Amino acid sequence: ETGVTQTPRHLVMGMTNKKSLKCEQHLGHNAMYWYKQSAKKPLELMFVYSLEERVENNSVPSRFSPECPNSSHLFLHLHTLQPEDSALYLCASSQEGPGSSYEQYFGPGTRLTVT
Amino acid sequence: GQNIDQPTEMTATEGAIVQINCTYQTSGFNGLFWYQQHAGEAPTFLSYNVLDGLEEKGRFSSFLSRSKGYSYLLLKELQMKDSASYLCAVRDSNYQLIWGAGTKLIIKP
Repeated sequence: ETGVTQTPRHLVMGMTNKKSLKCEQHLGHNAMYWYKQSAKKPLELMFVYSLEERVENNSVPSRFSPECPNSSHLFLHLHTLQPEDSALYLCASSQEGPGSSYEQYFGPGTRLTVT
Repeated sequence: GQNIDQPTEMTATEGAIVQINCTYQTSGFNGLFWYQQHAGEAPTFLSYNVLDGLEEKGRFSSFLSRSKGYSYLLLKELQMKDSASYLCAVRDSNYQLIWGAGTKLIIKP
């Protein structure tokens, strides 16, 4: 596989469920990101991992918990979500460092519906 | 606060030219990106500007004026497949991307 992959592509869960979103990048990048995309709103940066260390957490509720076991894999653990958390969750990766354009490559996203 | 403004929606005709504007106010500037996003798909990179001026890439061009906090994406010889949302994003002083809400471009035959 190439690029950035995400699973599952679609997820419906109740407010009391626990689920995880998975992202894998095959580009050799050293940074990975989770974004939330709601209709007609800007992409919201949730978490950034650089060299497997979390470097950004934009006041995201604790019901979202990221995990980055290595530079190629990123997870988003979900528990006791709210209906307003329904959105498209996008994973991205980039190469950071001198000489890099920091261009981000996105996965296809997980369409999450919380009932 | 940080802000990226772009029109919500634009309509253009197949074969024509369209210009999508983006203005920004950010804490620092380390480059501006344009991405294309088709409905239900991931954003894909179109262009990157860090210096003032015009960058041309095939049918697409992107312009930047840092003093004015302004950029535009120019699409020539429009094709039906260009119907998509176009996202403007600025990398701030912390090297994080600040995103606009996107411009939905509708191409009519």
